Amino acid sequence: DQQVKQNSPSLSVQEGRISILNCDYTNSMFDYFLWYKKYPAEGPTFLISISSIKDKNEDGRFTVFLNKSAKHLSLHIVPSQPGDSAVYFCAASARTGNQFYFGTGTSLTVIP
Amino acid sequence: DGGITQSPKYLFRKEGQNVTLSCEQNLNHDAMYWYRQDPGQGLRLIYYSQIVNDFQKGDIAEGYSVSREKKESFPLTVTSAQKNPTAFYLCASSTDITEKGFFGQGTRLTVV
Repeated sequence: DQQVKQNSPSLSVQEGRISILNCDYTNSMFDYFLWYKKYPAEGPTFLISISSIKDKNEDGRFTVFLNKSAKHLSLHIVPSQPGDSAVYFCAASARTGNQFYFGTGTSLTVIP
Repeated sequence: DGGITQSPKYLFRKEGQNVTLSCEQNLNHDAMYWYRQDPGQGLRLIYYSQIVNDFQKGDIAEGYSVSREKKESFPLTVTSAQKNPTAFYLCASSTDITEKGFFGQGTRLTVV
């Protein structure tokens, strides 16, 4: 049973435009969320996080939005750059829990 | 430089043989994890360890074994009991199980 879902397997965006990657979760106990970026044949690298006490967290070109009532989070990349082309995973956990649950990933392609 | 190292990057084994994947970290992290990634799927947790000499099964532990004799090391053995061992294996570590994980580069295991 997939507790974290990324329903878009792929996304293509023109360079300079906004990329929006979405993630939904089912467990209302989740209160800490992460986004990772992954290149082929490499391990994921941490990008940005958000806890449930916030609804937005920003780091440079990357902003994560959390809508707790909808159990939805999104990652915005503005402006998108070709180097952003990668697979993006969202992950969620409950602070009282013992693991992060990962989505299936969204492959982002930024077209020059 | 602090980091997490997995070796080897590529590994080939014959069906029926056990194989051990190495994971070492020098980040002084207490928690370590093994994940498996298959095409079209997210990262699935195999085993995790919160502290030396202790480890817990994740969602897909069957056919795998681990040990945590040292803080720095968390080797994973893929046994002949694992029905579909060919996959990309990722090791991660974190300060504790509630915090974001730092990943190694992964090991691609192919069983023929």
